[in-house]
Amino acid sequence: DVKVTQSSRYLVKRTGEKVFLECVQDMDHENMFWYRQDPGLGLRLIYFSYDVKMKEKGDIPEGYSVSREKKERFSLILESASTNQTSMYLCATLSGTVIYGYTFGSGTRLTVV
Amino acid sequence: GENVEQHPSTLSVQEGDSAVIKCTYSDSASNYFPWYKQELGKRPQLIIDIRSNVGEKKDQRIAVTLNKTAKHFSLHITETQPEDSAVYFCAASGIQGAQKLVFGQGTRLTINP
Repeated sequence: DVKVTQSSRYLVKRTGEKVFLECVQDMDHENMFWYRQDPGLGLRLIYFSYDVKMKEKGDIPEGYSVSREKKERFSLILESASTNQTSMYLCATLSGTVIYGYTFGSGTRLTVV
Repeated sequence: GENVEQHPSTLSVQEGDSAVIKCTYSDSASNYFPWYKQELGKRPQLIIDIRSNVGEKKDQRIAVTLNKTAKHFSLHITETQPEDSAVYFCAASGIQGAQKLVFGQGTRLTINP
């Protein structure tokens, strides 16, 4: 089974802080994604990456950046956290050769106060 | 870009009855349609998917139908059981690039004993 590990289950940060959310996968998947999940809005794509050092904006990239220096690790960065970034953040991976749908991490619930 | 609408947002059915969740998509180029189930406090899990060259797919008590002309697809759960209670998400993507998924808003399904 693919393992997708998000470093923190719960985080509380202050407004204006720089926040790093980490995602690590162990199955050599090319594609990695960051979504945020909010009630009534479903899952919205923030950024994705299809290779090391490659990144693409998703539907709601404002206020976020990403880093992918190694194939197994995809980091989401909140440059200056704001209260409207309080949300559940989900990382997902996808093999580039076999399309069986995403494998999700367990999520990080971020609260910005 | 792709837009996916999902209805209803909440659904309550008696145990043993059937449940149907419907989604519409906007991009006629989309050709992969997965469904995810998210139990309370857990990560979304792929439960069934369908590709655009198929009109229907079944897996035990769950089935998905696809109408490409009308650009809608549906999840059908028969003989519902309490463990079917969860939030269900539909999604759509094209098999190109990083296969990014666009999700619907989610349906909270409650099975009443």
